[in-house]
Amino acid sequence: QVQLVESGGGVVQPGTSLRLSCAASGFTFRNFGMHWVRQAPGKGLEWVAVISYDGSNRYYSDSVKGRFTISRDNSKDTLFLQMSRLGLEDTALYYCTKDSYSDRGGYPFADWGQGTLVTVSS
Amino acid sequence: SYELTQPPSVSVSPGQTASITCSGENLGRKNVCWLQQKPGQSPVLVIHQNTKRPSGIPERFSGSNSGTTATLTISGTQVLDEADYYCQTWDSSAYIFGPGTKVTV
Repeated sequence: QVQLVESGGGVVQPGTSLRLSCAASGFTFRNFGMHWVRQAPGKGLEWVAVISYDGSNRYYSDSVKGRFTISRDNSKDTLFLQMSRLGLEDTALYYCTKDSYSDRGGYPFADWGQGTLVTVSS
Repeated sequence: SYELTQPPSVSVSPGQTASITCSGENLGRKNVCWLQQKPGQSPVLVIHQNTKRPSGIPERFSGSNSGTTATLTISGTQVLDEADYYCQTWDSSAYIFGPGTKVTV
């Protein structure tokens, strides 16, 4: 079955950087687009970034554009999120989630990991 | 930027039908999915592409999308359906979530 396991979260100071990883298994990773979605404590879901199956296309939310970089290593079935210039507003649980396909085409958010917590605090 | 609107809360008695709305400009022209999130758990996709249920999702969950409103309907609501529900769509290369609706059974 699909497994997505995030790691790399922690407590960091404002202005610093952090890299999150998501190890995928149970499916052919290189065939699927992948996303990062975050959820601040007690708040709703916020989409962060998406990367196409081959890494050729990447899109970001306005709130992280220019600070975060999504990438993937299809040889290692791993998704990454490089976060820089972190601010208090980036404190959240960060989820890795994958696309899927139906007879109507692709669709997002089919499977989710358990998340990794990033806390930005001075 | 594109925005989705959901009621903050919906209350339903066990066995009754719950309807959760999601509104946005020309939303009926877009694909909408719905996610369920129970406390302390990761979200679960319950409807994708407006009306399709992933495998393993009970038939009591159904979706529709027309005009400016998408609707998630839970027929014969069970206590275990108590959760937050988020609608989601895509606009201008961005994925947008609604603010969420807390369903109380």
